[in-house]
Amino acid sequence: SQQGEEDPQALSIQEGENATMNCSYKTSINNLQWYRQNSGRGLVHLILIRSNEREKHSGRLRVTLDTSKKSSSLLITASRAADTASYFCAATTYNFNKFYFGSGTKLNVKP
Amino acid sequence: GAVVSQHPSWVICKSGTSVKIECRSLDFQATTMFWYRQFPKQSLMLMATSNEGSKATYEQGVEKDKFLINHASLTLSTLTVTSAHPEDSSFYICSAPRVGARINAEAFFGQGTRLTVV
Repeated sequence: SQQGEEDPQALSIQEGENATMNCSYKTSINNLQWYRQNSGRGLVHLILIRSNEREKHSGRLRVTLDTSKKSSSLLITASRAADTASYFCAATTYNFNKFYFGSGTKLNVKP
Repeated sequence: GAVVSQHPSWVICKSGTSVKIECRSLDFQATTMFWYRQFPKQSLMLMATSNEGSKATYEQGVEKDKFLINHASLTLSTLTVTSAHPEDSSFYICSAPRVGARINAEAFFGQGTRLTVV
């Protein structure tokens, strides 16, 4: 299986706290992307980090990538109740635009 | 607004019937689209790659005769679940990269179709 793993599976925090989610993958990647999914809805792209990058920022999001460990982390700073959703990492291979998704982290931000 | 649209957003069908799900790219052309299945509280599993003008390629373990894929135009791919059974009940999502985009750019996802087979 090419699927990855994410931890924690579920995370509950208070508004204003930071949320950190980790992702491990199995395949060699071209890049790694993070997506958000609200319950029963499609996915929304958050951020992309290339295999030759180690860290990337976008607004309140910070992503790190360690290709030697085949792992990535997503940090959401100063979380808001509206950040409540499931977050998935997706590893993309060097061909065919295939995405292999991690198992996801369900984040609950309490107001 | 959405750039990839799926229809229907939900469907309930009787066991043994077939269901067609459409995935359209709204303002761009997509020579390739991808179909995923997501069971409750689980991740997305890639089912197949839909190729415009040629046969779809299926991931290991996915029955091609069960899940028929047709990519009839540069803006439309369809997934037909044939002879559906309750175990086919799931959330089906399509995605499309923009034609001309650099390889492995971010993908646009449809809003998903929830299939319930009774």
